Amino acid sequence: GNSVTQMEGPVTLSEEAFLTINCTYTATGYPSLFWYVQYPGEGLQLLLKATKADDKGSNKGFEATYRKETTSFHLEKGSVQVSDSAVYFCALSGPKAAGNKLTFGGGTRVLVKP
Amino acid sequence: NAGVTQTPKFRVLKTGQSMTLLCAQDMNHEYMYWYRQDPGMGLRLIHYSVGEGTTAKGEVPDGYNVSRLKKQNFLLGLESAAPSQTSVYFCASSPLPGLAASSYNEQFFGPGTRLTVL
Repeated sequence: GNSVTQMEGPVTLSEEAFLTINCTYTATGYPSLFWYVQYPGEGLQLLLKATKADDKGSNKGFEATYRKETTSFHLEKGSVQVSDSAVYFCALSGPKAAGNKLTFGGGTRVLVKP
Repeated sequence: NAGVTQTPKFRVLKTGQSMTLLCAQDMNHEYMYWYRQDPGMGLRLIHYSVGEGTTAKGEVPDGYNVSRLKKQNFLLGLESAAPSQTSVYFCASSPLPGLAASSYNEQFFGPGTRLTVL
């Protein structure tokens, strides 16, 4: 079955540091890949997505590239801010015919200090 | 446009009690989902629905029941709560995926319900 593995946190950074969160997946077929972000006390919000190999998703300074050869979708940001402190989830989608279900990684908590 | 809403926001139950969590969406989405979030385990799918009147089991369905009598509502029931069901519960919805093979649509999440079972 489908699975997603992402690095465990917490990740603690200083403001303006470079952030990388690793994500690798196992899936059948050709899934779409997502990064969701959860700010304290809130639900999940879509941060970015990529629907096919070599696609790059980007939003709010974050980027991730769909690498089929390494089955990875690592999240990067060049200069983080305190407001980026959150939990980040990597996810992949299953077949449309099976309800468009998402499989999530365990989440990585990121804390950015001023 | 409120998006996805969940009630209640917090609840404390005693072992053996029952309750229903309500999820409502005003985006006319076909698909709806219930997840539970536990520390270090990400979100795990409990049940989902691909349309009014339909439900299906997810990854961790035991101890839960669901109903989708109206398109905009998806109810999650706990018949006899257990401490292992202490968790944060999230509802989500998504539109019908497009016809293209890679047109998977995002899921939109509610703010969550924090449930404690003593």
